[in-house]
Amino acid sequence: DGGITQSPKYLFRKEGQNVTLSCEQNLNHDAMYWYRQDPGQGLRLIYYSQIVNDFQKGDIAEGYSVSREKKESFPLTVTSAQKNPTAFYLCASRSGGHQPQHFGDGTRLSIL
Amino acid sequence: AQRVTQPEKLLSVFKGAPVELKCNYSYSGSPELFWYVQYSRQRLQLLLRHISRESIKGFTADLNKGETSFHLKKPFAQEEDSAMYYCAPQGYGGSQGNLIFGKGTKLSVKP
Repeated sequence: DGGITQSPKYLFRKEGQNVTLSCEQNLNHDAMYWYRQDPGQGLRLIYYSQIVNDFQKGDIAEGYSVSREKKESFPLTVTSAQKNPTAFYLCASRSGGHQPQHFGDGTRLSIL
Repeated sequence: AQRVTQPEKLLSVFKGAPVELKCNYSYSGSPELFWYVQYSRQRLQLLLRHISRESIKGFTADLNKGETSFHLKKPFAQEEDSAMYYCAPQGYGGSQGNLIFGKGTKLSVKP
């Protein structure tokens, strides 16, 4: 089930390095989301975008940046300012209204 | 403040036993309520939503507006139900359209 594609599946970051996680969707959804999933913490919202060229901070945006230049793409950059980046990152999208979110397979980021 | 409480981090039952995963929420307005499930090595996916009033894989969830609860129930648990379950209310439009996730309950069904 294509829908939302996240890449890579695994990613390693060196100290002081920025890394970018890819998220692409072919569902023609307007809204896209990035979550961070840590054991025992559930899912926490990093950034979201309701329309192209617009995005808002979620609950834990510090140390992250995003862009939304195309409807189908919502890349997340984990910057060197994020001191605890090791986590599982999930991207999601939805069409609108009360429609549910659809999730990608996730990217696991680790520190070298 | 909007929040979701799933009081059990881990729920362990034997196959064939009834199971109830609790969810209490605090949310202004009238949210739609969802249960999402994450099986091992699979992506997070929608299990059911209140507005559909469906039974999915034998699970049902009843919305109690007075108690602001949306507990997930299944009368006879199966081993394949073992997974992580998240309760999530969602508003309508703008930032209200964001899901508020609970911390999740890990369900383990033993043979």
